[in-house]
Amino acid sequence: DGGITQSPKYLFRKEGQNVTLSCEQNLNHDAMYWYRQDPGQGLRLIYYSQIVNDFQKGDIAEGYSVSREKKESFPLTVTSAQKNPTAFYLCASHRGTGDDKRGYTFGSGTRLTVV
Amino acid sequence: AQSVTQPDIHITVSEGASLELRCNYSYGATPYLFWYVQSPGQGLQLLLKYFSGDTLVQGIKGFEAEFKRSQSSFNLRKPSVHWSDAAEYFCAVVSLYNNDMRFGAGTRLTVKP
Repeated sequence: DGGITQSPKYLFRKEGQNVTLSCEQNLNHDAMYWYRQDPGQGLRLIYYSQIVNDFQKGDIAEGYSVSREKKESFPLTVTSAQKNPTAFYLCASHRGTGDDKRGYTFGSGTRLTVV
Repeated sequence: AQSVTQPDIHITVSEGASLELRCNYSYGATPYLFWYVQSPGQGLQLLLKYFSGDTLVQGIKGFEAEFKRSQSSFNLRKPSVHWSDAAEYFCAVVSLYNNDMRFGAGTRLTVKP
């Protein structure tokens, strides 16, 4: 079955270190998204990519970076510039522009903890 | 400004009771509307969606939602709640002009025996 795989499920990072979260999809979706989830704040958009080799900042991009070298993959790097990185990170994908009645598909998330 | 509001942070209902979770949006035009459910430590599962047509939408797990344009609302309902429905519920919108999905802050549902 097609879907989105996020790895690892749990990740621990020391302060000052960069860390990369993996997101892979085999749905042939053009668009991919990264969200950050904190208690009581819902999901906030970090970065999104509508097509390979192109991506845009979302609402809270500072301290994060992404790449989209392949359609299937959209890794997120949490850099040392992100002052409060402990959170639950969700990756999602979408078929692309136009009417898509299936909505977004989400991965199962990565919980990042700074120790 | 575009926004999605879920007024209730936490709701507790008894098993077998009815449920209504509220969602209001503020967008220039009627967006695409969604409800998702999230179990602890998991991703989001789509419950139902509204694009156009019949304003009462049926979803999975016995949920339904009603779109009311005059109230800019898309409330989620279930006639009889089961203990397994305890989770966090998110209302989400996608603008007609881009594909960015924006979420409400979520409503946590607790089900009492």
